[in-house]
Amino acid sequence: QKEVEQNSGPLSVPEGAIASLNCTYSDRGSQSFFWYRQYSGKSPELIMSIYSNGDKEDGRFTAQLNKASQYVSLLIRDSQPSDSATYLCAVIFLTGGGNKLTFGTGTQLKVEL
Amino acid sequence: KAGVTQTPRYLIKTRGQQVTLSCSPISGHRSVSWYQQTPGQGLQFLFEYFSETQRNKGNFPGRFSGRQFSNSRSEMNVSTLELGDSALYLCASSPELTGREQYFGPGTRLTVT
Repeated sequence: QKEVEQNSGPLSVPEGAIASLNCTYSDRGSQSFFWYRQYSGKSPELIMSIYSNGDKEDGRFTAQLNKASQYVSLLIRDSQPSDSATYLCAVIFLTGGGNKLTFGTGTQLKVEL
Repeated sequence: KAGVTQTPRYLIKTRGQQVTLSCSPISGHRSVSWYQQTPGQGLQFLFEYFSETQRNKGNFPGRFSGRQFSNSRSEMNVSTLELGDSALYLCASSPELTGREQYFGPGTRLTVT
């Protein structure tokens, strides 16, 4: 079974620090990777997508992808209390029944004042 | 552009009843995917529709079904409701078939009593 693994946390960081969220996936052939943010009681919001090895930066967010290690991460610089949420890693797996977007169980991030 | 809309937002049903949920994708998006989210199982893929055809299906019983209309709007139906069907049901739209980014609607919170 194709899986996406995340540490459930909570990950606590002080305001202004860098938060580092990690994700591993089981299928070496995967090509598309996403990070979603979900506030309590709300639906997931897409914050980053990455398709190539290396880093992709968007504002305070940086996604890092290492396909050889089957590892994708999200760095949040200058963390703010408003960043406190659950972060979901998602990977598109190629299957005989079609491509499927599979989510990890999420990492809860708490940014403390 | 308007985002993904889902109706109703909240629903309370009794065991054995059936329910129909509706999703309108972002204008121009042709793919609609449905997910079930529960605290214990996380986000689980139900199915994906593209051009009025079901293209992918997750591991859910046949009580869960869906359809897509020519305007890309989609409905999901659950028959013979069970207590375990209580969940947040999320719909996500994408311009293409499980290709790139998916954007979620606000969800329908279903409670089965």
